[in-house]
Amino acid sequence: QKEVEQNSGPLSVPEGAIASLNCTYSDRGSQSFFWYRQYSGKSPELIMSIYSNGDKEDGRFTAQLNKASQYVSLLIRDSQPSDSATYLCATETSGSRLTFGEGTQLTVNP
Amino acid sequence: EAGVVQSPRYKIIEKKQPVAFWCNPISGHNTLYWYRQNLGQGPELLIRYENEEAVDDSQLPKDRFSAERLKGVDSTLKIQPAELGDSAVYLCASSLVRERNEQFFGPGTRLTVL
Repeated sequence: QKEVEQNSGPLSVPEGAIASLNCTYSDRGSQSFFWYRQYSGKSPELIMSIYSNGDKEDGRFTAQLNKASQYVSLLIRDSQPSDSATYLCATETSGSRLTFGEGTQLTVNP
Repeated sequence: EAGVVQSPRYKIIEKKQPVAFWCNPISGHNTLYWYRQNLGQGPELLIRYENEEAVDDSQLPKDRFSAERLKGVDSTLKIQPAELGDSAVYLCASSLVRERNEQFFGPGTRLTVL
């Protein structure tokens, strides 16, 4: 079992729709969770961090965390073509190490 | 605020040659990370520094990889000798507040070993 698993892509949504990205993790000791956006040929860019159960909203982005289910998600409302990228989920495991999933490629169609 | 700076951006070398990557973290960030990212995968940690001390190098292939962070600021990652399988993007990241561990990445160095 991979430490961090993301829903397999690619994911394609029409412009203006809600994009839902999911991630599960295996380490119950994980306390910090992050979503990074990575455009093709670029480095990962931190877009959301979440540390406690529930929802955290930032503009069009909402991160959701359920530690009991070991589940993290990212919702992107009113998706734009500029949101087309690979989204990486990461958890902080023991020793402050970030473990990343393989990413989900999102395409927003105009 | 300037971001993480890395150089070079691209490097093409023959196998068995040495190569070095340089990183300057965000000013004031005491924790520095080197990651390797293969195509289609997430970044994987190679080494983590807190100030000058390498506190997590368990995933660094020490037979050919070495790193240093003199004076607790800039860092250099070296591969000697390079192998074909080392072709990847090498990313440097830094963070300020350990408790939150929000890491910010530099642009990366794309290494191609021929």
